[in-house]
Amino acid sequence: DIQMTQSPSSLSASVGDRVTITCRASQSISSYLNWYQHQPGKAPKLLIYAASSLQSGVPSRFSGSGSGTDFTLTISSLQPEDFATYYCQQGYSTPTFGGGTKVAIK
Amino acid sequence: QVQLQESAPGLVKPSGTLSLTCAVSGGSISSTKWWSWVRQPPGKGLEWIGEIYHSGSTNYNPSLKSRVSISVDKSKNQFSLKLNSVTAADTAMYYCAGKSYYGSGNFDYWGQGTLATVSS
Repeated sequence: DIQMTQSPSSLSASVGDRVTITCRASQSISSYLNWYQHQPGKAPKLLIYAASSLQSGVPSRFSGSGSGTDFTLTISSLQPEDFATYYCQQGYSTPTFGGGTKVAIK
Repeated sequence: QVQLQESAPGLVKPSGTLSLTCAVSGGSISSTKWWSWVRQPPGKGLEWIGEIYHSGSTNYNPSLKSRVSISVDKSKNQFSLKLNSVTAADTAMYYCAGKSYYGSGNFDYWGQGTLATVSS
């Protein structure tokens, strides 16, 4: 299995802050990397697919970058509705997810 | 808009079988999607269980393969999960999801999730 490692596991930020979350794969996965937002009691939501493509309907403050083994999710200006847990997922082989990054209010 | 809704399994006894169904609405289960199951144990991350295509082709997580079976019912536009020989470690929120057949293997659609508790 390809292991996905996210960092940090949690962070505290204020509304308006720029937030960056990183995801590292245990081997090269090209651009087969997706990002999800998960809020308690809700279904996970696809934000970014293929490393950098914005899913339809997702605000443009979300962006993704990277290829190979290192990837980044950036929220350019954190909004109140963005407090959630974020997961990366590789689709190169048997799907695996990162451990998650919980974004909390500072 | 495609929507997914999991059935509610409630409580399952140890060594028993966990059975779940996911109803697909707003779209056809015969579309170009892999229909998947993903779970999240309390306080832990997401784990992919397996998937099925409308043709009946399946893929399973190697760590669960010996205990898992996923089937599809095109007449009812739904797919199902059976997990045998369950233990407390199988207690989790279970989600059904639709994964793109092409592209980066992203899960486009998700159900709200249903909690399965394994306990005597």
